Amino acid sequence: QSVLTQPPSASGTPGQRVTISCSGSNSNIGSDYVYWYQQLPGTAPKLLIYRNNQRPSGVPDRFSGSKSGTSASLAISGLRSEDEADYYCVVWDGSLSGYVFGTGTKVTVL
Amino acid sequence: EVQLVESGGGLVQPGGSLRLSCAASGFTFSSYWMHWVRQAPGQGLVWVSRINSDGSGTNYADSVKGRFTISRDNAKNTLYLQMNSLRAEDTAVYYCASVGSAFDIWGQGTMVTVSS
Repeated sequence: QSVLTQPPSASGTPGQRVTISCSGSNSNIGSDYVYWYQQLPGTAPKLLIYRNNQRPSGVPDRFSGSKSGTSASLAISGLRSEDEADYYCVVWDGSLSGYVFGTGTKVTVL
Repeated sequence: EVQLVESGGGLVQPGGSLRLSCAASGFTFSSYWMHWVRQAPGQGLVWVSRINSDGSGTNYADSVKGRFTISRDNAKNTLYLQMNSLRAEDTAVYYCASVGSAFDIWGQGTMVTVSS
């Protein structure tokens, strides 16, 4: 079982805003940067957000990240059909001396 | 083109061994920490191991510690994962990748199936 908890699913209609949470502890989210990855069906993950709230070049500004205390969030605004995918948070855990991925959230566009 | 290409996956019996390779091209491989991440069929991503840029430092998930060994050959631009004492629960697609960095690169993955 992962030490980072995400809701198993989230959904919205095109154009809506969807938020995905990632809950951790002082040894991970509370003390290091959070990264977010998107995994489309049958493909390798792709980086969406690094260092809590930074977007790599090429990632639309519809995707945004934030962090507060031991929790982090990924927001997708202006939801589009191509956003249907699995989303994972990941962070270094100092107590485990390893990275931990969140449980993953499947986003569905209704 | 910047890419990572994994190889070495396959079917192995419980208790057996397998060595995965990940060939890097198109970027300065020796400058980056590298990772192995796995994904069991229908399941989420799980971090397995990482190695620093010169190969002098490694970390492992508790589930593989003592059984798996990560290494790299910067002269050959190649990352490795030696997997021993394999168990059914090690069955997964194994990705080599750069994780926890603004540099985003993942391989296509190689399937490892542990079954008798």
